[in-house]
Amino acid sequence: KAGVTQTPRYLIKTRGQQVTLSCSPISGHRSVSWYQQTPGQGLQFLFEYFSETQRNKGNFPGRFSGRQFSNSRSEMNVSTLELGDSALYLCASSPNGQGLTGELFFGEGSRLTVL
Amino acid sequence: SQQGEEDPQALSIQEGENATMNCSYKTSINNLQWYRQNSGRGLVHLILIRSNEREKHSGRLRVTLDTSKKSSSLLITASRAADTASYFCATGENRDDKIIFGKGTRLHILP
Repeated sequence: KAGVTQTPRYLIKTRGQQVTLSCSPISGHRSVSWYQQTPGQGLQFLFEYFSETQRNKGNFPGRFSGRQFSNSRSEMNVSTLELGDSALYLCASSPNGQGLTGELFFGEGSRLTVL
Repeated sequence: SQQGEEDPQALSIQEGENATMNCSYKTSINNLQWYRQNSGRGLVHLILIRSNEREKHSGRLRVTLDTSKKSSSLLITASRAADTASYFCATGENRDDKIIFGKGTRLHILP
């Protein structure tokens, strides 16, 4: 079974631009969660999507958004990029959602650098 | 916001020794998990312990959970160079079904 795939793996943007990151979950998994990882703040929960609906969200500004498609693939978008958005963005999938099964399967992440 | 707090933040031990990491959390939980992350990579699930369990083993890993003290520990026995990584505890909250991670313990195994 293929694992969680995130694209792109690395990208560089400048302040004010926007970025879209993609995540393909493990086949059959309906939940996709997104986390932001920075050295200072650790892993911060962004949001979780389950069957195309946002189930949960963390404390991030509205510049951070996401969506999930009918095939469970998910995208997250960050608009009007700021220097502080530089981070490793991790996607994780699970069969039935965070609250039900617990274990998360992570992708390798997309490392975003904002200049 | 962080739920779990790992202690210590960093740990260096000799190969073959045991490594112990602790995690404290604040609210009521469904379960607690431990993950490993090799430098700059994704996280790998190690073990999950439910709130009604006190101890769990998996290979060289032993996890304990004390819900009265809101704390957990991860013991890695007979450490190997390949165990060098960051270790995170993650709590599944009762309140809103989110999984929240701590800031991690960086473990370095010395040859």
